[in-house]
Amino acid sequence: NAGVMQNPRHLVRRRGQEARLRCSPMKGHSHVYWYRQLPEEGLKFMVYLQKENIIDESGMPKERFSAEFPKEGPSILRIQQVVRGDSAAYFCASSPGTGIIEQYFGPGTRLTVT
Amino acid sequence: AQKITQTQPGMFVQEKEAVTLDCTYDTSDPSYGLFWYKQPSSGEMIFLIYQGSYDQQNATEGRYSLNFQKARKSANLVISASQLGDSAMYFCAMREGLNNAGNMLTFGGGTRLMVKP
Repeated sequence: NAGVMQNPRHLVRRRGQEARLRCSPMKGHSHVYWYRQLPEEGLKFMVYLQKENIIDESGMPKERFSAEFPKEGPSILRIQQVVRGDSAAYFCASSPGTGIIEQYFGPGTRLTVT
Repeated sequence: AQKITQTQPGMFVQEKEAVTLDCTYDTSDPSYGLFWYKQPSSGEMIFLIYQGSYDQQNATEGRYSLNFQKARKSANLVISASQLGDSAMYFCAMREGLNNAGNMLTFGGGTRLMVKP
């Protein structure tokens, strides 16, 4: 059973460009979480999605950031008009859902904004 | 107030010795879980150990054990017989409201452990 997949692993964008980060959850998992890790800090929750629904986006910046988890295909975290402060590692985690405690993390995407 | 506090930004330990990494938490929810993750220099998050708030016994996984003191709201990670490969960042995390599907993890700021040969 393949783990959580994220791509790309490294992404370089210039200020003002768009960044698209992809996350394929583990097989059978319908819950996806996105976290951001700034340099030398712990992970901070951004958004929680189930298939076709955003359940909790309380950690998502109000502007430029959006997330989706379509019926088919990976979850996408989209950052429009990136700025230097968006440089971070973005982790996706997945879980089967109700009654399951653990979230399984992907390897992360390291975004660098130049 | 911080929900998860890790007061040791960095620690050294001699190879083969035991080390304790501190974690205190703050919650009013009676149902919660505490997690420890390891993040090596390669960057991935590796799950180490889990303790539920209603668990009667301290969790253990191989060389890892969790010293859970509920009244003090602490969940310290103990690594026995340290190995060079244990050098990494260690994060304590909490999930509140275990009865609700999908609650997020809240992470502490981490402790960087360095194992000396």
